[in-house]
Amino acid sequence: EDKVVQSPLSLVVHEGDTVTLNCSYEVTNFRSLLWYKQEKKAPTFLFMLTSSGIEKKSGRLSSILDKKELFSILNITATQTGDSAIYLCALNSNYQLIWGAGTKLIIKP
Amino acid sequence: NAGVTQTPKFRVLKTGQSMTLLCAQDMNHEYMYWYRQDPGMGLRLIHYSVGEGTTAKGEVPDGYNVSRLKKQNFLLGLESAAPSQTSVYFCATRTGTGGYNQPQHFGDGTRLSIL
Repeated sequence: EDKVVQSPLSLVVHEGDTVTLNCSYEVTNFRSLLWYKQEKKAPTFLFMLTSSGIEKKSGRLSSILDKKELFSILNITATQTGDSAIYLCALNSNYQLIWGAGTKLIIKP
Repeated sequence: NAGVTQTPKFRVLKTGQSMTLLCAQDMNHEYMYWYRQDPGMGLRLIHYSVGEGTTAKGEVPDGYNVSRLKKQNFLLGLESAAPSQTSVYFCATRTGTGGYNQPQHFGDGTRLSIL
């Protein structure tokens, strides 16, 4: 059975800290792994990863995939209060996305 | 260019009532999805559609029906609402161009409470 597990479930850090969010998975037909950020409403797309070892980067956010060990990490450096959100990891398997429960990140000023 | 629009944004129903949630998109996307999001459980797929006139069951389809009569609209119906259907419902769309690896784009959600 395809499965996505995110850790930690919640995390509280201070502004300026660096955080690492984890996403491990089990899948029968891997196509891609996606990261989304969810603030109050709609999840918004951050990254799509298809190949191992190739870092995707956008500003202070970066992500990498390890297809051998079946996990991905999302790093956020120099965190800001605006980074407070739920970060969702999803596995693309055929027509559907299989979602993790999310990591709730709170950045304290 | 609105993207994905869900109506209504909020609704309170009594047990046994019926209602329809509307998802409208202006991106000409082929694929459309209905999810529900409950605390601690992430997003769970209810039904999806790979094109106009087609629908398929997702992970948690019981108690829901869908229709996709027009490409731009995907309707989610609750025939007889139950308290267990209290949730936030999200619609998402995806282009069919470029293969499977295209991200889904989400509406702002509908918060539904069943009393």
